[in-house]
Amino acid sequence: RKEVEQDPGPFNVPEGATVAFNCTYSNSASQSFFWYRQDCRKEPKLLMSVYSSGNEDGRFTAQLNRASQYISLLIRDSKLSDSATYLCVVKGLRGGGNKLTFGTGTQLKVEL
Amino acid sequence: EAGVTQFPSHSVIEKGQTVTLRCDPISGHDNLYWYRRVMGKEIKFLLHFVKESKQDESGMPNNRFLAERTGGTYSTLKVQPAELEDSGVYFCASSGTSPETQYFGPGTRLLVL
Repeated sequence: RKEVEQDPGPFNVPEGATVAFNCTYSNSASQSFFWYRQDCRKEPKLLMSVYSSGNEDGRFTAQLNRASQYISLLIRDSKLSDSATYLCVVKGLRGGGNKLTFGTGTQLKVEL
Repeated sequence: EAGVTQFPSHSVIEKGQTVTLRCDPISGHDNLYWYRRVMGKEIKFLLHFVKESKQDESGMPNNRFLAERTGGTYSTLKVQPAELEDSGVYFCASSGTSPETQYFGPGTRLLVL
């Protein structure tokens, strides 16, 4: 079983749609949680951190459920420019300090 | 402020040759990380430097890989001898102490033929 699991997609959605991505992680002792965005042939870039209380940044909302070891990302009113791969990332998995553990990523394609 | 830079952007070598990748972190960042993505797989951690010291090298695949960070500034990752399965994208990241957000470089695409 992978340490961080994501549905690889692709998710093909029309512009303006709401889309949700889910992620599960294997170890309850994990410390920090993030969503990174990766454009084709580019480096991963931090989209947002994820907190238990839930957090929002414009059209993006992230949620963490520690009991279920589940992380989600909701994108509202999707734009063409949101097309990318979204990476679920966990830090401190199995006492791993600062090391980031990545999911395989979920590909999003926003279409006209 | 300049971001993380990596050199070269691409490298094509033959099996058995040696390749050295370089990473320049964001100025003032003590933490430097190497990650790798091989085809079809997730990005995986290789190792973590704090200044010039190796804090965690648990992800290094084998002794063909040697990472250094002399002087605590830039880092090099040498693969010697390279094997076909070493092909992939090698990312470097750096972070300060607070916050600890890791900023990634553009990566080096390595192809071993």
